[in-house]
Amino acid sequence: SQQGEEDPQALSIQEGENATMNCSYKTSINNLQWYRQNSGRGLVHLILIRSNEREKHSGRLRVTLDTSKKSSSLLITASRAADTASYFCATVMTQGAQKLVFGQGTRLTINP
Amino acid sequence: DAGVIQSPRHEVTEMGQEVTLRCKPISGHDYLFWYRQTMMRGLELLIYFNNNVPIDDSGMPEDRFSAKMPNASFSTLKIQPSEPRDSAVYFCASSSLLFSDTQYFGPGTRLTVL
Repeated sequence: SQQGEEDPQALSIQEGENATMNCSYKTSINNLQWYRQNSGRGLVHLILIRSNEREKHSGRLRVTLDTSKKSSSLLITASRAADTASYFCATVMTQGAQKLVFGQGTRLTINP
Repeated sequence: DAGVIQSPRHEVTEMGQEVTLRCKPISGHDYLFWYRQTMMRGLELLIYFNNNVPIDDSGMPEDRFSAKMPNASFSTLKIQPSEPRDSAVYFCASSSLLFSDTQYFGPGTRLTVL
């Protein structure tokens, strides 16, 4: 099964509202990354949070990491129609094969 | 920089045919990755290179798949012979560090095998 699993699988909100997406993983990680994918496009890196960090901000994005719960959340504040996309978390484990393992993603729709 | 460049953007072929996907990474990036994305399996790492050398090809599904990186600015992913279950979007990505830095993705090649 996937190392990272996003929740919810789909989220639909009104423009201006905040969107929160969650990611859970199974094993210890070096870092966790969030990516965005617009329909028909490649993935775009949003933010990287290391295992010794608890929170990180980038513009309207806020990422938290709770290593005790093996979970992360991505908060998008004051959402815009252009935020409509799929959002993926990806983890790099501390043991085993060194690779970036992606979750199945959350499909976010911002309604104008 | 133009970013990661992939060609073709779309490929439609018939079962049994050879398919070659191409990638030009960002200049100066030492790592190149090939991913496959499907609805069923999500995004999977197929293989990655460091300084043109294949490091981990454990994600390559079977011997029909092969990848090469003859120089720092070019890589190919070949499927021979292609099968309908190979239909997917194939992404190339590059980065300057291994997994501790941003991976820059290309626009992908949408492959349809009839």
